[in-house]
Amino acid sequence: GNSVTQMEGPVTLSEEAFLTINCTYTATGYPSLFWYVQYPGEGLQLLLKATKADDKGSNKGFEATYRKETTSFHLEKGSVQVSDSAVYFCALRRSGGSNYKLTFGKGTLLTVNP
Amino acid sequence: DTEVTQTPKHLVMGMTNKKSLKCEQHMGHRAMYWYKQKAKKPPELMFVYSYEKLSINESVPSRFSPECPNSSLLNLHLHALQPEDSALYLCASSQPGELIAKNIQYFGAGTRLSVL
Repeated sequence: GNSVTQMEGPVTLSEEAFLTINCTYTATGYPSLFWYVQYPGEGLQLLLKATKADDKGSNKGFEATYRKETTSFHLEKGSVQVSDSAVYFCALRRSGGSNYKLTFGKGTLLTVNP
Repeated sequence: DTEVTQTPKHLVMGMTNKKSLKCEQHMGHRAMYWYKQKAKKPPELMFVYSYEKLSINESVPSRFSPECPNSSLLNLHLHALQPEDSALYLCASSQPGELIAKNIQYFGAGTRLSVL
């Protein structure tokens, strides 16, 4: 079956530090890959997505590249801010058929200190 | 506008109460979802409606009863819940079907439910 494995954290960084949150997946075919962010007390917001191999998703300074050879979709940001403190979820949706279901990783709590 | 609105934001109920959670979107999406999220866990899919018809039920207990009265609204009726049902309940919507570029789920802020 499909699965997503991401570093569980928590991750604590100082402001302006470089961020990497690792995400690897197991799926048949060519799934779509997503990063969602959940700020304290809120629902999930789509941060970025990629739908095919070598696609790079980017938004708000965050980037992730769909690497089929390593089945990975690592999230990176060059300089984090206190406002980036949140839980980050990597997710996939399989291709084909009734592809409604998102498979989520366990989430990574990021805390950025001033 | 990519907003999914959920009401109420917080709900406290006893195990014998009947209550309903509401979700509304005006993005023209024809697929709507209910998720349950426990603390420090990822969301778990409960139900999916596609074109106002129940498409997926992830073996959810019958004390949770979904309803999709029209393409913009989604309800979750609650009855005889247990304390372990306390969680954040998230609604999401998307376009249905295969087109990946459109089939992105947008989430509401959730209803935080406490069952006493």
